[in-house]
Amino acid sequence: QQQVKQSPQSLIVQKGGISIINCAYENTAFDYFPWYQQFPGKGPALLIAIRPDVSEKKEGRFTISFNKSAKQFSLHIMDSQPGDSATYFCAASLTYNFNKFYFGSGTKLNVKP
Amino acid sequence: KAGVTQTPRYLIKTRGQQVTLSCSPISGHRSVSWYQQTPGQGLQFLFEYFSETQRNKGNFPGRFSGRQFSNSRSEMNVSTLELGDSALYLCASSYGETQYFGPGTRLLVL
Repeated sequence: QQQVKQSPQSLIVQKGGISIINCAYENTAFDYFPWYQQFPGKGPALLIAIRPDVSEKKEGRFTISFNKSAKQFSLHIMDSQPGDSATYFCAASLTYNFNKFYFGSGTKLNVKP
Repeated sequence: KAGVTQTPRYLIKTRGQQVTLSCSPISGHRSVSWYQQTPGQGLQFLFEYFSETQRNKGNFPGRFSGRQFSNSRSEMNVSTLELGDSALYLCASSYGETQYFGPGTRLLVL
């Protein structure tokens, strides 16, 4: 059973637009939800993360919205730039489960100039 | 601080062979996790080591094994390679809950 489901698989956004990627999780015990950004030939890099005790977290142009009752969380990229073109992964973990992360399937974002 | 380093970066093997991949974590990080990344299955957790002990394991066959040394460096081994083992193998080191990934080792099994 897939623990974290991510959509869409790919996304094309115009420069300056808002990119929105959604994730849904199964296990209500998950207590840490990071988003990773991966460029070709590189490993994933942590972008932003949230815990379920807050509904939103913002860092620069990146915002996570978290809906605990719906078991969903999303990444919003404001003022999207061509340099944001990458693959984005959501993930979930249980703090006590020693760094075992469950990843979404990834969203390939293409920001058109 | 230097980031996570993985060697080798690329590897070509044939079916039935075995392979050993190496990971050096960020200095001071004692936790090392391994993931397999493929286009079809995405990122899948293999195992995690902390202070030379395996604390967690994913759903992979016993052909996949690992170990961690006293300096926190880690190796993973895959025996009797299959075509389906072709993937990018990522290592991540952690201090607390944040994972820092290395660039990966791309393994091609022919």
